[in-house]
Amino acid sequence: EAGVTQSPRYAVLQEGQAVSFWCDPISGHDTLYWYQQPRDQGPQLLVYFRDEAVIDNSQLPSDRFSAVRPKGTNSTLKIQSAKQGDTATYLCASSFQYEQYFGPGTRLTVL
Amino acid sequence: GQQVQQSPASLVLQEGENAELQCNFSSTATQLQWFYQSPGGSLVSLLSNPSGTKHTGRLTSTTVTKERRSSLHISSSQTTDSGTYLCAIDQQGTGSKLSFGKGAKLTVSP
Repeated sequence: EAGVTQSPRYAVLQEGQAVSFWCDPISGHDTLYWYQQPRDQGPQLLVYFRDEAVIDNSQLPSDRFSAVRPKGTNSTLKIQSAKQGDTATYLCASSFQYEQYFGPGTRLTVL
Repeated sequence: GQQVQQSPASLVLQEGENAELQCNFSSTATQLQWFYQSPGGSLVSLLSNPSGTKHTGRLTSTTVTKERRSSLHISSSQTTDSGTYLCAIDQQGTGSKLSFGKGAKLTVSP
């Protein structure tokens, strides 16, 4: 069974540029999560979906971050006008019922 | 403030030594999980332990819910155990909103 896949694995941007991250969850998992993990920190939940619906996006900086999961399968997280403070690894996870399974992450550096 | 605090922040061992990692949390935790993150890799759940003691392989976790603390004991450490160990609490019991600590970086030398 394929795990959670993410792309790209790495991204380097100048401040002000936009970037999109893509996540393909494990087949059959109805819940999908996006986390931000700054260096030497634990992951912090940004947003999560159940099927195509946003369940909680209270930690998503809504002025520059957006996330969609239009068909309840794959998901895209987008950052408009990136800032140096956005430098982090962005992790996607999926679950069915309880346990979350994590992808390898996208390591973003904003110069 | 930080809901989940882990100690030590880093630990260096010789192969064969035991490791003891601590997790203290400030909120009621319906569920508590320990995760492993390899250098540059994804997180893997090691075990869930809301209370009491659980064993899996060389890992033993003891959680004392009333005292809001948990420990992870790694016996006979191996070089492949090197990485970061993260503690996460789930206040709602649904598995959906995990609050992670900063992690404990373990380095095991041959």
